[in-house]
Amino acid sequence: DTGVSQNPRHKITKRGQNVTFRCDPISEHNRLYWYRQTLGQGPEFLTYFQNEAQLEKSRLLSDRFSAERPKGSFSTLEIQRTEQGDSAMYLCASSPGTSGGTDYYEQYFGPGTRLTVT
Amino acid sequence: GDSVTQMEGPVTLSEEAFLTINCTYTATGYPSLFWYVQYPGEGLQLLLKATKADDKGSNKGFEATYRKETTSFHLEKGSVQVSDSAVYFCALSEQGAQKLVFGQGTRLTINP
Repeated sequence: DTGVSQNPRHKITKRGQNVTFRCDPISEHNRLYWYRQTLGQGPEFLTYFQNEAQLEKSRLLSDRFSAERPKGSFSTLEIQRTEQGDSAMYLCASSPGTSGGTDYYEQYFGPGTRLTVT
Repeated sequence: GDSVTQMEGPVTLSEEAFLTINCTYTATGYPSLFWYVQYPGEGLQLLLKATKADDKGSNKGFEATYRKETTSFHLEKGSVQVSDSAVYFCALSEQGAQKLVFGQGTRLTINP
């Protein structure tokens, strides 16, 4: 399977604990995105990377959230001091970026990590 | 800011019925428009796209036309199947921006 993978698929944690999610994009995709989806809503943009550089962060990404993509391949999203309001599906997506002067912008999504904060 | 509004669901149809899911958008520039589909237990999949006014995106019997004058991108299919049961999301991406802005989704159920 060469699609976007995310681990873990499910995470249950107690309020106040820290959690970390991992995303492995499609090989050779330069751009990587994180979204959050709550029940009955569409995904909301959190942040995106071009290679290892984090180029945009949403206001939704509070100080408790941090994302990294250290070698321009996989990415991690950490939530510190989790709150019940953090319960959601966290989605990762990747896209090819620019090649030969053409911007390939279609985003390919992983299955998501469902976080439940009790 | 940019936004996408979809018709409220859920939508329930019989097999072979005609489907329309309405989508309108608000954007400052000239966005690209997308429909994504989420089948039960699976991740979001790109269904079709259109990058400029009057473009028609199509895939798997689904179609949507980019209407700049009405700021709409309605999804249509002439004859739905049980396997089309899923949640459908309309989304946009502004030129030069990377993020997708999604509508709230429309749950579609097709009964045999």
